Amino acid sequence: GAVVSQHPSRVICKSGTSVKIECRSLDFQATTMFWYRQFPKQSLMLMATSNEGSKATYEQGVEKDKFLINHASLTLSTLTVTSAHPEDSSFYICSARQAGGGRTDTQYFGPGTRLTVL
Amino acid sequence: AQTVTQSQPEMSVQEAETVTLSCTYDTSESDYYLFWYKQPPSRQMILVIRQEAYKQQNATENRFSVNFQKAAKSFSLKISDSQLGDAAMYFCAYLEYGNKLVFGTGTILRVKS
Repeated sequence: GAVVSQHPSRVICKSGTSVKIECRSLDFQATTMFWYRQFPKQSLMLMATSNEGSKATYEQGVEKDKFLINHASLTLSTLTVTSAHPEDSSFYICSARQAGGGRTDTQYFGPGTRLTVL
Repeated sequence: AQTVTQSQPEMSVQEAETVTLSCTYDTSESDYYLFWYKQPPSRQMILVIRQEAYKQQNATENRFSVNFQKAAKSFSLKISDSQLGDAAMYFCAYLEYGNKLVFGTGTILRVKS
């Protein structure tokens, strides 16, 4: 149980285009999903917290208009990188927290998406 | 803000031996949760073990156990009978109020055969 998927696993795009990454909880409902960014051999950096049916909460320094997050259902959150540039190239990871509990619930992570912007 | 420190960028262990990864954290909270996550070369984050701060008993999951010292704000991970598949980056994490995970900088574990 507690499986989180991400699609696509890898994407290469041209500078200036937009890319959408999907995060799905496959066997549980997730009221909260989190989006992280990870550079090689570094830790995960939280970008935003996504709550189903409401606006995402962004961490300081993360541009809301550049990284659009939508959490339309209890099993799906999407991250859209708008007008992508080479500096947006990174590994993006989502996690999902199971609905129904409080802060004790464990976050389950997706396999990540490697974005390369040419 | 809470911080998590992993002072060992890299560690090595011989197969079948035991290794301990260090983690310290800073918080003014009394009720919180601590985690160790493993990230193998596939980059999939895998939960290794979880500890509730209000529990005095150290968490154990098969070959993985923790030494939780609340007063010292220390949370080390012990891997017994190390296997080649244990080679990965290990992250210590603290669950902050508001449900945000705060990660340490990670420790790369190499397992020698």
